[in-house]
Amino acid sequence: DAGVTQSPTHLIKTRGQHVTLRCSPISGHKSVSWYQQVLGQGPQFIFQYYEKEERGRGNFPDRFSARQFPNYSSELNVNALLLGDSALYLCASSLAIWNTGELFFGEGSRLTVL
Amino acid sequence: QKEVEQDPGPLSVPEGAIVSLNCTYSNSAFQYFMWYRQYSRKGPELLMYTYSSGNKEDGRFTAQVDKSSKYISLFIRDSQPSDSATYLCAIIQGAQKLVFGQGTRLTINP
Repeated sequence: DAGVTQSPTHLIKTRGQHVTLRCSPISGHKSVSWYQQVLGQGPQFIFQYYEKEERGRGNFPDRFSARQFPNYSSELNVNALLLGDSALYLCASSLAIWNTGELFFGEGSRLTVL
Repeated sequence: QKEVEQDPGPLSVPEGAIVSLNCTYSNSAFQYFMWYRQYSRKGPELLMYTYSSGNKEDGRFTAQVDKSSKYISLFIRDSQPSDSATYLCAIIQGAQKLVFGQGTRLTINP
């Protein structure tokens, strides 16, 4: 069975640009979460979506937005990129909204902002 | 005060040694505690999770929670070079998110 897949794996943008990151959850998983992992730090929660609705939002500016599609895949959008947005963006899926830590992570999209 | 604190290391031990990784947390209401392993350039993978206090064992790995001192630990017995990775502790906050520690980079030397 395929795990969580993310695209693109690497990308380079310049300040002020916009980026869209994509995620396909494990088949049958209805919840998708996004995390940002800056080099040398643990992942930080950005969003959780369940059944196409936002169910949780972390402490990130409005430049960050996301959505979940009817097939449960998801997109993370970041506008007006800043140098500090350079990070590994991780998508994770789980069966349900309430999880006992059983989040399954993809390998991430590594974003570099120049 | 951070919700979860973890010594970033790095930690380097010889093969076969017992490894102890530790985190502290701030809120006594937290009930679920997790350990994730992250290899270089990969996403985190769940190693173990425990509910409330006590120990949980899985092969060479033992997770321990001490709620009285707000301390969580992961022990690795008979450590192998393949255990070299970053280990992340995490707690569940509410129903929506995991809060991770900074991660401890571990190297097992052959």
